[in-house]
Amino acid sequence: SYELTQPPSVSVSPGQTASITCSGDNLGDKYACWYQQKPGQSPVLLIYQDSKRPSGIPERFSASNSGNTATLTISGTQAMDEADYYCQAWDSSTRVFGGGTKLTVL
Amino acid sequence: QVQLVQSGAEVKKPGASVKVSCKASGYTFTGQYMYWVRQAPGQGLEWMGWINPNNGGTNYAQKFQGRVTMTRDTSISTAYMELSRLRSDDTAVYYCARGVGVEGGGFDYWGQGTLVTVSS
Repeated sequence: SYELTQPPSVSVSPGQTASITCSGDNLGDKYACWYQQKPGQSPVLLIYQDSKRPSGIPERFSASNSGNTATLTISGTQAMDEADYYCQAWDSSTRVFGGGTKLTVL
Repeated sequence: QVQLVQSGAEVKKPGASVKVSCKASGYTFTGQYMYWVRQAPGQGLEWMGWINPNNGGTNYAQKFQGRVTMTRDTSISTAYMELSRLRSDDTAVYYCARGVGVEGGGFDYWGQGTLVTVSS
């Protein structure tokens, strides 16, 4: 079965840029999505179709997908961005999630 | 506005079954796939499968095949996920989520989650 790998944790200082990676075999040939989940809440869709933002998602969230890696970039990171982030791949009829990355804003 | 409202928490014994409901409102229920995702305590998200509310077609993650059944009742805009032969490691929050209606579109609305606890 298809697998996605994310770093367990990433730290960033307020106002700086955070990058979270997601790796999988030929991931660039599949669609990738990204979700944010805060403690006790349901996930929120941040990015779909590799790089598109749903309405209401701030422009500081962007993403790309190429080769074996998809990357979520958060520019001007704010304290409110501290959360768990999950990538997801569209693989045939399945929708695989990565293991998640805890973003800490120090 | 789009809403997905799930049924309440459940406590089940090992070997039993659980059926979680997800009532949709604010959009055409048959127009978009419904997905089920679970999250064990302190763990990540795990995709379980989907149902096409229009025709009842389903696709389940290999891990759950033979134990999960997803159904729907279009007359009340409600999707269901039933998991059988429960084990302690099935203890998790179970979410329904609406699929964006395009390939690679993600899950744009989520239910509030239903905690299922499996304990003897």
